[in-house]
This record gives sequence, C-alpha cells and structure tokens, in this order.
Amino acid sequence: KAGVTQTPRYLIKTRGQQVTLSCSPISGHRSVSWYQQTPGQGLQFLFEYFSETQRNKGNFPGRFSGRQFSNSRSEMNVSTLELGDSALYLCASSFYSPQSSYNEQFFGPGTRLTVL
Amino acid sequence: GNSVTQMEGPVTLSEEAFLTINCTYTATGYPSLFWYVQYPGEGLQLLLKATKADDKGSNKGFEATYRKETTSFHLEKGSVQVSDSAVYFCALRETSGSRLTFGEGTQLTVNP
Repeated sequence: KAGVTQTPRYLIKTRGQQVTLSCSPISGHRSVSWYQQTPGQGLQFLFEYFSETQRNKGNFPGRFSGRQFSNSRSEMNVSTLELGDSALYLCASSFYSPQSSYNEQFFGPGTRLTVL
Repeated sequence: GNSVTQMEGPVTLSEEAFLTINCTYTATGYPSLFWYVQYPGEGLQLLLKATKADDKGSNKGFEATYRKETTSFHLEKGSVQVSDSAVYFCALRETSGSRLTFGEGTQLTVNP
C-alpha cells in the first residue's frame, strides 16, 4: 500500500508570491491534516479536512488555506509569502471512523518551502 | 489549551546506554498520547501510543507508560543503537478529532 505522498518535495519562492502544496493520502483514508514544522515554533497544526470539509483549524492567518477534493487529495495554499513561512510542511492522513476512538495518522515526507 | 513539554535536548549517548526522554502534558479530558520519530529528511513515524491511563505502549524496544496522576509519558529504551539517532516527538491527541499537539522534539545522537 502506497504511503502518503507530497509534491513537490522542495520549493523555493520569493516574498509576496503564493504557493500551492499537494498531498495524496493513503488509499481509503478520508481525513487529511496539515502541519508546519519550523526550528523556532516546532510542529504546529494548520488544519484538517474530512470529506471535503474543514473540520478543524489551527491558529494561522488567513493567508493559509486549504481544500480537499472528492478523491481525498488535499492542497494547501499560502498567499503573499513571508520569510517566516519557510518551513517543512507535513501532511498526515488517517482512516477516520466516528465509531473508533483512535485513528492513527500516517505522515508524508513533507514539502520543504524556502522563501527568499 | 493543550500543551506538551519535552526534556530539552540534544541528548548524546553511547551505544547500549539507557535512554529516557521526559514528556509531560496538559490537557482536558482524556487525551491519547504518542511518541513519533523523525529521521533526517523524512516525515514523522509513529513509534508507540497509549490511549488510556496506565496503558504501556511499546515498539522496537522503546516503552512509555501513560501516567495520568503525573501527566507524564516518558520514553525509555534499555539499550540504544546508533540507528536510533533521530528526533523524537511526544504528542497528544484530544478526545475527539485528529489534531495532534506536539512537544518541542528531542534530538538523540547515539555514538558507537
């Protein structure tokens, strides 16, 4: 079974530009979450999508947005990039079931974004 | 809000030494607790988990026990190997939903 894939793996942008990152979850997984990892702030939750609906959102400005498609693939978009947006962006998928109290999250390798 | 605090790193050990990485948490309700490991250039891998008080998670020689009375989930391994060198993250998940709250991470280096 293929794991979570993220594209691209590396990206270089300049301030003011916008960027779109893509995440393909494990087949059958309908929940996708996004995290930002930086040396200063560590791992921070961005948002979670389930069945094309945002279920949960972290404390990030509106420049960070996301969406999920009917095939569960997800994209996140960052507009008007700032230097501080340089980070590793991680996507995680899980087979969410309301009947289960635990749904393991599987992480992708991440997209390394550098803003110059 | 929820929070996770890990012991400060980095931690450097010799092969076959005993490892402890402390983790304490603050949360409402009954969160699930996790340890994730991140190898260079890779994403996070789930190392072990515990979903209720007194549960012991274990995997690849690593263990951690969910202690509700001390709000702790310390990671231990009796004999580390060079291949255990990585960054270890303690995390909690709220009672509902998938959102994970992570600790700062602890860099472990094991020397031969």
